[in-house]
Amino acid sequence: NAGVTQTPKFQVLKTGQSMTLQCAQDMNHEYMSWYRQDPGMGLRLIHYSVGAGITDQGEVPNGYNVSRSTTEDFPLRLLSAAPSQTSVYFCASSTRAGGNTGELFFGEGSRLTVL
Amino acid sequence: GNSVTQMEGPVTLSEEAFLTINCTYTATGYPSLFWYVQYPGEGLQLLLKATKADDKGSNKGFEATYRKETTSFHLEKGSVQVSDSAVYFCALSPRAGRRALTFGSGTRLQVQP
Repeated sequence: NAGVTQTPKFQVLKTGQSMTLQCAQDMNHEYMSWYRQDPGMGLRLIHYSVGAGITDQGEVPNGYNVSRSTTEDFPLRLLSAAPSQTSVYFCASSTRAGGNTGELFFGEGSRLTVL
Repeated sequence: GNSVTQMEGPVTLSEEAFLTINCTYTATGYPSLFWYVQYPGEGLQLLLKATKADDKGSNKGFEATYRKETTSFHLEKGSVQVSDSAVYFCALSPRAGRRALTFGSGTRLQVQP
């Protein structure tokens, strides 16, 4: 019953450092996405993918990079961390139909602090 | 563009009280509407959904009706429990274009025994 697994759960970075948030799902879902959650702002879409080899930008893509080499994995890379990227990050997946209807399965989140 | 507006929290209720969390939306056409719930320390879970006007979504005693005329999707429960304490997010998914969810800012519910 793994579902969507995110690592690490907590991370502290210094400004300018880079890191990768990992996301893996074992449900053979085509659609995967990354959101960030900030107080009073709900969740905002960073990047998404509708299948292996296909990615696209969401609402707030600047400072982040993604790739989708396999169906299971969708890592999110912070190229040069900034304090404005302090947030809780959620990975989500769904079937292709679920992506159209909004039925997403979420990981438990990764809390990132940039000093 | 698309947007979702929720009532600000926290909402504090006593056990067995009636719950309403307001949600209104702005979207082109007729989006699908959702309520997600986030329990402490966990990711979001789909609570209920409605895909067309006048549809009523329901789950675990919660209900919400898709009201096209008022562009609303208010969440209700007749008798809340302590275990309902969580953050509730209203969201929409458009029928065309990029099929990504637009979330409201979330409403924290605290139920006291």
